[in-house]
Amino acid sequence: KAGVTQTPRYLIKTRGQQVTLSCSPISGHRSVSWYQQTPGQGLQFLFEYFSETQRNKGNFPGRFSGRQFSNSRSEMNVSTLELGDSALYLCASNQRAGAGANVLTFGAGSRLTVL
Amino acid sequence: GNSVTQMEGPVTLSEEAFLTINCTYTATGYPSLFWYVQYPGEGLQLLLKATKADDKGSNKGFEATYRKETTSFHLEKGSVQVSDSAVYFCALSSNTGGFKTIFGAGTRLFVKA
Repeated sequence: KAGVTQTPRYLIKTRGQQVTLSCSPISGHRSVSWYQQTPGQGLQFLFEYFSETQRNKGNFPGRFSGRQFSNSRSEMNVSTLELGDSALYLCASNQRAGAGANVLTFGAGSRLTVL
Repeated sequence: GNSVTQMEGPVTLSEEAFLTINCTYTATGYPSLFWYVQYPGEGLQLLLKATKADDKGSNKGFEATYRKETTSFHLEKGSVQVSDSAVYFCALSSNTGGFKTIFGAGTRLFVKA
């Protein structure tokens, strides 16, 4: 079956612009999580959605937002981009509703460069 | 809150050497523990997991045992190969942690032929 698909794979933006990233989870997976990966900070949790509801949010400013659609596809948006937002943004999906044995399947990521 | 601490890298080993990457955690409740691996140019993928105390996760020759008394989940492999060169992430997931998985900083492993 198809894996987790993230688009676009690469993008370049300038400071002050906004960006929208998309994630299509594995068919049947209802939970989608987003992470920011940078060399200095590692993998930082952004938010998690289940059945269109945001269940948890990480410690990121309000410029970072997301949503999930009824087909479980998810988008995240970053407004007023800053140089420090340059990172690999990873999406992961999970079949289960609970966090126990919560095995994540990751997409390849969207690499954002802010100039 | 919950947290994961793993040894800093990079770790450089010769082929067939023994590998240990240390991981300790802080968590409320009864977390599940994981090791994920990121090979060069590839996405993160699950390597192994353990869902309760004293469980041993294993895969591809790697093993890790869930030690509640020492809050640890160290990754071991008896004989590494060049193809094991990658970044390894220890991770924790708990319902009391709010439906999220948190990751350690990652440990880069280089294996020389």
